[in-house]
Amino acid sequence: KAGVTQTPRYLIKTRGQQVTLSCSPISGHRSVSWYQQTPGQGLQFLFEYFSETQRNKGNFPGRFSGRQFSNSRSEMNVSTLELGDSALYLCASSLATSGGAFVTDTQYFGPGTRLTVL
Amino acid sequence: GDSVTQMEGPVTLSEEAFLTINCTYTATGYPSLFWYVQYPGEGLQLLLKATKADDKGSNKGFEATYRKETTSFHLEKGSVQVSDSAVYFCALMDSSYKLIFGSGTRLLVRP
Repeated sequence: KAGVTQTPRYLIKTRGQQVTLSCSPISGHRSVSWYQQTPGQGLQFLFEYFSETQRNKGNFPGRFSGRQFSNSRSEMNVSTLELGDSALYLCASSLATSGGAFVTDTQYFGPGTRLTVL
Repeated sequence: GDSVTQMEGPVTLSEEAFLTINCTYTATGYPSLFWYVQYPGEGLQLLLKATKADDKGSNKGFEATYRKETTSFHLEKGSVQVSDSAVYFCALMDSSYKLIFGSGTRLLVRP
């Protein structure tokens, strides 16, 4: 079974531009989460989508947004890029449950998209 | 809020040495615990997990035991190889299904 794929792998943008990153989850997985990794802040949760709905959101400004499609593929968008947005953006997928009792749901990560903002 | 604390790196060992990377957590309830590994230029790979107290996760010679009494999940390996050189992240899954990570520990194994 193919793993999580992310495109593009590398991006260079300038301040003020916007960017869209894409993530295709493992086949059958319904949840997609996004994380930002920087040397200073480490790994931080951005948001999670399940069945095309944002189920959880981290502490990031509104410039960061995302969506999920009916085939579970997800995109995240960053508008008005700032130098501090330079990071590795990681997507993770999991089987997920539709609610009810809390169940551990292992997340599997893609290779990431390295975004550089100049 | 929930948090994870890992030992500072880098940890430098000779091949075949014993490895321990300490991880402690603070959380309400009893979260599931994970170790992920990141090789240069790559994403995170799940190394092992434990979902309840006294569970032992194991994979590729690595082990970690969920210790509720000490709120710890230390990673161990009896004999490291050069190929184990990477950054290791301890994480917990909180009640909203998001992962909270430690700061990571870089491991360097010398031949």
